[in-house]
Amino acid sequence: KAGVTQTPRYLIKTRGQQVTLSCSPISGHRSVSWYQQTPGQGLQFLFEYFSETQRNKGNFPGRFSGRQFSNSRSEMNVSTLELGDSALYLCASSLDETGGDEQYFGPGTRLTVT
Amino acid sequence: AQSVAQPEDQVNVAEGNPLTVKCTYSVSGNPYLFWYVQYPNRGLQFLLKYITGDNLVKGSYGFEAEFNKSQTSFHLKKPSAFVSDSALYFCAGKRDDKLIFGTGTRLQVFP
Repeated sequence: KAGVTQTPRYLIKTRGQQVTLSCSPISGHRSVSWYQQTPGQGLQFLFEYFSETQRNKGNFPGRFSGRQFSNSRSEMNVSTLELGDSALYLCASSLDETGGDEQYFGPGTRLTVT
Repeated sequence: AQSVAQPEDQVNVAEGNPLTVKCTYSVSGNPYLFWYVQYPNRGLQFLLKYITGDNLVKGSYGFEAEFNKSQTSFHLKKPSAFVSDSALYFCAGKRDDKLIFGTGTRLQVFP
């Protein structure tokens, strides 16, 4: 099976712009989660989607949003970019048939805001 | 608040020696606990998990972890370290469908 894929891998944007990141989960996985990873804050949970519905949300401002399509692919959008949004954004998918299912991570999208 | 703690920012081990990367958790009820590894410029790779049952869990690449409920710990171990084990290791706990990560421990294995 192909792993979790994320596009693009690298992105450079300027403050005030918006950005959309894409994630394709492992085939058959219905849950997709997004995380922000920075040296200072570590790994922080953004949100989780399951069957096109946002099921969980972390403590991020409304500028961060996402969606999931019927084929389980997910997108994450950040509007009005700030310098502090520079980070590695990781997407993870899981079967989610039981609470103990592990998540499989993509390689991430490295976003740099200048 | 539910949390996962990794008390060591870095662990240094000589190749061939046993290694331990520590993790403690504060998750109510019966926690689901995971270990992940991250190599430079890569996403996280799943190593092992504890759901229920045997307290000693075996995972990928010869790693194992022991769940200790009384000490609320889930330390990652390997009997003999390799230089290629050098990476960033994350412990995570899951409760209410949210995965909470520790701050990570950088493992450095010296030849």
